[in-house]
Amino acid sequence: EAGVTQSPTHLIKTRGQQATLRCSPISGHTSVYWYQQALGLGLQFLLWYDEGEERNRGNFPPRFSGRQFPNYSSELNVNALELEDSALYLCASTLGLAGGEQYFGPGTRLTVT
Amino acid sequence: SQQGEEDPQALSIQEGENATMNCSYKTSINNLQWYRQNSGRGLVHLILIRSNEREKHSGRLRVTLDTSKKSSSLLITASRAADTASYFCATFFRGFQKLVFGTGTRLLVSP
Repeated sequence: EAGVTQSPTHLIKTRGQQATLRCSPISGHTSVYWYQQALGLGLQFLLWYDEGEERNRGNFPPRFSGRQFPNYSSELNVNALELEDSALYLCASTLGLAGGEQYFGPGTRLTVT
Repeated sequence: SQQGEEDPQALSIQEGENATMNCSYKTSINNLQWYRQNSGRGLVHLILIRSNEREKHSGRLRVTLDTSKKSSSLLITASRAADTASYFCATFFRGFQKLVFGTGTRLLVSP
């Protein structure tokens, strides 16, 4: 069974540009979570999608947005990139209700110069 | 901030020794989970303990939970070099509908 996949592995952007990160959950999982992990810090919750709907959002500005497609894959968009957006972005998927075990992808390393 | 804290921030031990790391949190919880992260990659789920449980075992892992003190501990017995990683606790409360991760403990196990 394939795990959670994320693309691209690395992404280098210039301040002010837009970044698009992609995530494919484990087959059968309907929920996708996005986290930001800045260097040396813990994970900060960004967004939760379930059955195509945004269910919860972390304390991030509106330029962080995303969506979930009918096949449950998800996209995270970051507009007007700032230097402090440089981080590892992790996607996780779950089967069932919130609060269960989360399965993580390998992450996308975003560098903003 | 809802984020929990882990103690110690870093721990260095020899193979065969036990490693204990602690997690404190601030709010009520429905469950607490521990995850491992190798070298800035994705996290791997280790164990989940519910708020009505006090202790749970999984292989060489032992987790305790004290809801009155809002704290948990993870014990890894007979550590191996392959246990070298960062360990995070994460709490879930139904009212917040999200996992809140701690700051992590970096464990180094030397051969």
